[in-house]
Amino acid sequence: GAGVSQSPRYKVAKRGQDVALRCDPISGHVSLFWYQQALGQGPEFLTYFQNEAQLDKSGLPSDRFFAERPEGSVSTLKIQRTQQEDSAVYLCASSTTPYGGSHEQFFGPGTRLTVL
Amino acid sequence: AQTVTQSQPEMSVQEAETVTLSCTYDTSESDYYLFWYKQPPSRQMILVIRQEAYKQQNATENRFSVNFQKAAKSFSLKISDSQLGDAAMYFCAYRSASRGSQGNLIFGKGTKLSVKP
Repeated sequence: GAGVSQSPRYKVAKRGQDVALRCDPISGHVSLFWYQQALGQGPEFLTYFQNEAQLDKSGLPSDRFFAERPEGSVSTLKIQRTQQEDSAVYLCASSTTPYGGSHEQFFGPGTRLTVL
Repeated sequence: AQTVTQSQPEMSVQEAETVTLSCTYDTSESDYYLFWYKQPPSRQMILVIRQEAYKQQNATENRFSVNFQKAAKSFSLKISDSQLGDAAMYFCAYRSASRGSQGNLIFGKGTKLSVKP
């Protein structure tokens, strides 16, 4: 079956532009996570959705970052007025269950954002 | 707050040999889950192996096994009979099992594994 997909795979933005990154989770997966992976680092948690509810946004680095999942499936991460420090790979992951446990998170290929 | 430390930025192994990747973590929780993820170049992250902290027995998945030392807060990954396809970044990750946890993963900085033919 289809895995987690993300689009675009690559995005180049000029500083100050707004960008929108899309995540299509595996069908039926309740949980959806966004992570930010800077060059040479491990992924860092940004935000979590359980169906359409955003239950944790503690990792969002500033109020320029906004995420939504209005129908409990596709999610969009929006970054307003992009800055150079926003350059990173943005990973989306989904999971079957509404809680953590040992259940696997399935990752998408990521969107590589470069802010010039 | 929980932290995960991978002290080996890079490792190298000869094909068919065995290699061990180190991971230590810091937590005050007694129940949690540990994972090793593999991230091949330009490809998506996939789960290699997982361990529940309440289980004393070390997890194994074919050529991959872990050495889980709960008291020492250590969680190393052993890859036996290394293959060229094992070359990748390997990330150790922690997930809380506390009631209020949403299940997000906390990652180390990763270890880049090279496999020499």
